[in-house]
Amino acid sequence: DVKVTQSSRYLVKRTGEKVFLECVQDMDHENMFWYRQDPGLGLRLIYFSYDVKMKEKGDIPEGYSVSREKKERFSLILESASTNQTSMYLCAAGLAGGPGNNEQFFGPGTRLTVL
Amino acid sequence: GENVEQHPSTLSVQEGDSAVIKCTYSDSASNYFPWYKQELGKRPQLIIDIRSNVGEKKDQRIAVTLNKTAKHFSLHITETQPEDSAVYFCAASKYGAAGNKLTFGGGTRVLVKP
Repeated sequence: DVKVTQSSRYLVKRTGEKVFLECVQDMDHENMFWYRQDPGLGLRLIYFSYDVKMKEKGDIPEGYSVSREKKERFSLILESASTNQTSMYLCAAGLAGGPGNNEQFFGPGTRLTVL
Repeated sequence: GENVEQHPSTLSVQEGDSAVIKCTYSDSASNYFPWYKQELGKRPQLIIDIRSNVGEKKDQRIAVTLNKTAKHFSLHITETQPEDSAVYFCAASKYGAAGNKLTFGGGTRVLVKP
């Protein structure tokens, strides 16, 4: 079983602060993802990475950046937090392509509140 | 890019009845369609998936159907039980593409009433 962990379950920050959300997976999966989850909007992809030091923008990258220095760790950075970034953030990991290898394994989520 | 729409947003069923959730997608090149279930306070987990070379797939009480021509796919839950109460997300992707990224629908909150 892939285990995906996130650094915090709950986080409260102030507007303008720099925020780091950390995600670690223990099964050597190539792909890692950051989503935000908002009611009625489903899971929206912020950024993903398919290899160390590689990153690709998802559907809503504005206001976020990411870092993947090691295969097992994928960090989401809010350069200057704003109230509209209050949300649940989910990290996921998955194997590289090919039939039968598409499942994404999610972390428990971080509920971020920006005041 | 891909756009996935999911209906209904909420669904209330009596225990033992069937539940159906429908999704449409926009990119005809998408070829992989998973369904994730998220119980209250828990992380989403894959429950079933279907690839574009298959029209239907079944796993015990859940089944998924795919209509490539119409670009829609559906989740069917039969003989619903209280533990089926959760939020269900459909998604679409092109497997093999870099990152295998998924585009999710908005989710359906299913409530099974005893």
